[in-house]
Amino acid sequence: DAGVTQSPTHLIKTRGQHVTLRCSPISGHKSVSWYQQVLGQGPQFIFQYYEKEERGRGNFPDRFSARQFPNYSSELNVNALLLGDSALYLCASSFSDRDYYWIYEQYFGPGTRLTVT
Amino acid sequence: KNEVEQSPQNLTAQEGEFITINCSYSVGISALHWLQQHPGGGIVSLFMLSSGKKKHGRLIATINIQEKHSSLHITASHPRDSAVYICAVRGSGGGADGLTFGKGTHLIIQP
Repeated sequence: DAGVTQSPTHLIKTRGQHVTLRCSPISGHKSVSWYQQVLGQGPQFIFQYYEKEERGRGNFPDRFSARQFPNYSSELNVNALLLGDSALYLCASSFSDRDYYWIYEQYFGPGTRLTVT
Repeated sequence: KNEVEQSPQNLTAQEGEFITINCSYSVGISALHWLQQHPGGGIVSLFMLSSGKKKHGRLIATINIQEKHSSLHITASHPRDSAVYICAVRGSGGGADGLTFGKGTHLIIQP
């Protein structure tokens, strides 16, 4: 079975632009989470989605948004890019059920490295 | 102050040595994860535990809920174990907060 996939692998954008990052979870996984990892730091939680609903949001500005599609793939959108948005963006999927969707192990994708110039 | 603290931040050891990486956290948790991250970014989940001890090959993870502390041990370390090891916790309030990560321990095993 394929693991979690993310696209693109690398991306260079200019300040003020908009970016869309994509994630395809492992087949059968209904929960997707997004994390931002700035160089030299641990990842920071951005969003969690389960069954197309947002179930959790980290401390990120409204420039960050996400959605999950009927096939459980997900997009992370960032508007009005800032230099500080340069980071590795990680997606993780997990097999979940509606009432305890957070207790299952997460499987991480390879990440998208975003550079904002 | 980070809710998840790891020590040491950096560790260099010789091949074959027994390695211990520590993780302390300050909040109630429902689960603790140990993750491995290689250069280039890919993260692999090593363990998820909420009590006791788990073993997988040369890796052992333990957790003491009362003391809010976990350790990751590597026996008979090998250069291919060189990576960043990250501790992450999920709060006891449920999944709304996602995982909270430590800053990682950069491990180098020299031949």
